[in-house]
Amino acid sequence: NAGVTQTPKFQVLKTGQSMTLQCAQDMNHEYMSWYRQDPGMGLRLIHYSVGAGITDQGEVPNGYNVSRSTTEDFPLRLLSAAPSQTSVYFCASSYAGLAYEQYFGPGTRLTVT
Amino acid sequence: GQQVMQIPQYQHVQEGEDFTTYCNSSTTLSNIQWYKQRPGGHPVFLIQLVKSGEVKKQKRLTFQFGEAKKNSSLHITATQTTDVGTYFCAAAGGTSYGKLTFGQGTILTVHP
Repeated sequence: NAGVTQTPKFQVLKTGQSMTLQCAQDMNHEYMSWYRQDPGMGLRLIHYSVGAGITDQGEVPNGYNVSRSTTEDFPLRLLSAAPSQTSVYFCASSYAGLAYEQYFGPGTRLTVT
Repeated sequence: GQQVMQIPQYQHVQEGEDFTTYCNSSTTLSNIQWYKQRPGGHPVFLIQLVKSGEVKKQKRLTFQFGEAKKNSSLHITATQTTDVGTYFCAAAGGTSYGKLTFGQGTILTVHP
């Protein structure tokens, strides 16, 4: 199993550009989440999904969209990138639930100039 | 939302010294988890604590959950250079029912 995979590993955007961060898992986990990690702030939940076709907002959802058309894939879309979205983004999945053991992907380091 | 305070933010130790990081919540938790993130890497699950007063050990790592289920600690005995990284607690319960709230993390540096 590859576990949780994320692409790209690194990305530089200009302010106002849009892009999609890809996330896929091959563990048949129902629960998937997107977190952002900023220095000194831990990981903050952006959006999450409890199954295909079901998504909801986390703690910091503004400026991001998600969809979950399949169990495996959970892309994160930045609608109009802003410098405040410069961060490291982690996708995570879980078989037990959002409040249980999370399997994290390798992350995408995004810089918005 | 849920607040989870983790201290200290940084800890520098000499190899062989012990290390402890603490996690505190103002509300009662249903469970608490600990993750380790190596430099440049992603968080990796270490353990989950569920019961009041629970103590679990993994080799040199000892994890405790407070009696009131509002605090937790991770203690590493005789640190090694392989222990370098950021240690996060992640709390479930309270106002963030059904989701995890991560602490700010403790960055551990081990000097050989």
